[in-house]
Order: sequence, then C-alpha cells, then structure tokens
Amino acid sequence: AQSVTQPDIHITVSEGASLELRCNYSYGATPYLFWYVQSPGQGLQLLLKYFSGDTLVQGIKGFEAEFKRSQSSFNLRKPSVHWSDAAEYFCAVNSIIQGAQKLVFGQGTRLTINP
Amino acid sequence: NAGVTQTPKFQVLKTGQSMTLQCAQDMNHEYMSWYRQDPGMGLRLIHYSVGAGITDQGEVPNGYNVSRSTTEDFPLRLLSAAPSQTSVYFCASRSRGVLVLETQYFGPGTRLLVL
Repeated sequence: AQSVTQPDIHITVSEGASLELRCNYSYGATPYLFWYVQSPGQGLQLLLKYFSGDTLVQGIKGFEAEFKRSQSSFNLRKPSVHWSDAAEYFCAVNSIIQGAQKLVFGQGTRLTINP
Repeated sequence: NAGVTQTPKFQVLKTGQSMTLQCAQDMNHEYMSWYRQDPGMGLRLIHYSVGAGITDQGEVPNGYNVSRSTTEDFPLRLLSAAPSQTSVYFCASRSRGVLVLETQYFGPGTRLLVL
C-alpha cells in the first residue's frame, strides 16, 4: 500500500536559518506528491505539489521541494525561515483506496522557530 | 466566499451520545471528504463524497455516518460516541477531476472530546 513517512516529529530552527523537512514515500508508480502546512488552530493549506516534469517545485511562502525518485524522497526546503513559519507540516501522496484516488498523509513534522 | 466552514469548533460528549459535525462549502465543489487527525498519525480519511447523493467509505469509517443531500453540505454523524473518537476532524472539498490536478481546501477543524 502507498504510504508516506516523515522521519522527524519535531524540528527546531533559529529564525533566519535554513530549513529542510524530510518526506519519504512508498508508491509503485509515478507518485503525485504534496506538502501542506497547518498553522495552530487552522486547517491545512497547500504549499506545493509535484506531478511531473521539473523535479524542483516552487511553492507559496518561499518554500520549495525536490523530488528524488532514486531516494523516494520529496523534501521541503526554505532558505531562511521566519517566525511565522512555525506550524505543522504534512507530506502527502496520492493513493488508490477502494478503487478511487485519495490522499495519504504522513504523520506530520512540527516546526518550532527560535527567535 | 467563505470557503469550507465547520461547526462547532469544539465539542465535549459523553460516551454513547450522538452528534453531527457540520461542514459546508460555497465553492460549488463536487468532491467533499472528512478526515480525522490524531497525534503521530497524520490525517486519515473517514468518508468522502463525489457528488450529491453519492458517498463512500475511506480508511477509518467505523462509527461514522455521512450523507450528501446537497452539493454544499456534508455532515458527519457519530451515532454513539466512544472515547476512541476523540480527535480533531477536518472537512475538505475540491473540484471534480483528477485528484492530482485539483487543490483540496480544508476547513478549520472541529475538536471533539469524548469522555
């Protein structure tokens, strides 16, 4: 079955530092991959998505992600984090469940920003 | 345009009680779904609907019922609440089409505590 693993439950970085959140997927065919962000008390917002083509995907809020098929990874990056980036981040992959396409989410990574 | 709205924001139930979580969207989206979010488990799909009058089960449907009488509304019913249903519930919607091409919009969530 298709699955997503986010190895880091909690990451702390200093404001202005670079960020990389890891995501590994398990999928038999070409995966369609997503990153969502959830701010405290809010719903999920789509940051970026990968379907095909250029393996480096640009998203909103200065985020980017790189698809690496050889490593089954889709890591999220940001060159310089801001205090407002403190949130929980979810990686997701499309999956076929009971014959229909669904999103399968990873466990999430909570990001804390030190001033 | 309010997007996806959910009520209530927070609810406390006693074991065995019933309740309905409301979800509405004003974007004329055909596809709506319910997820539950539990610590360390990401989001898991409960039920979904591809249009008015059509619903189907997701990964964790037991203990929940849904109906879709209109395009706008997709309520989630707990017939006999159990402590295991303590969670945060998210409703989401998107346009009909291939999942990978459509952005899914999430509501702000309902936090449910079952005692």
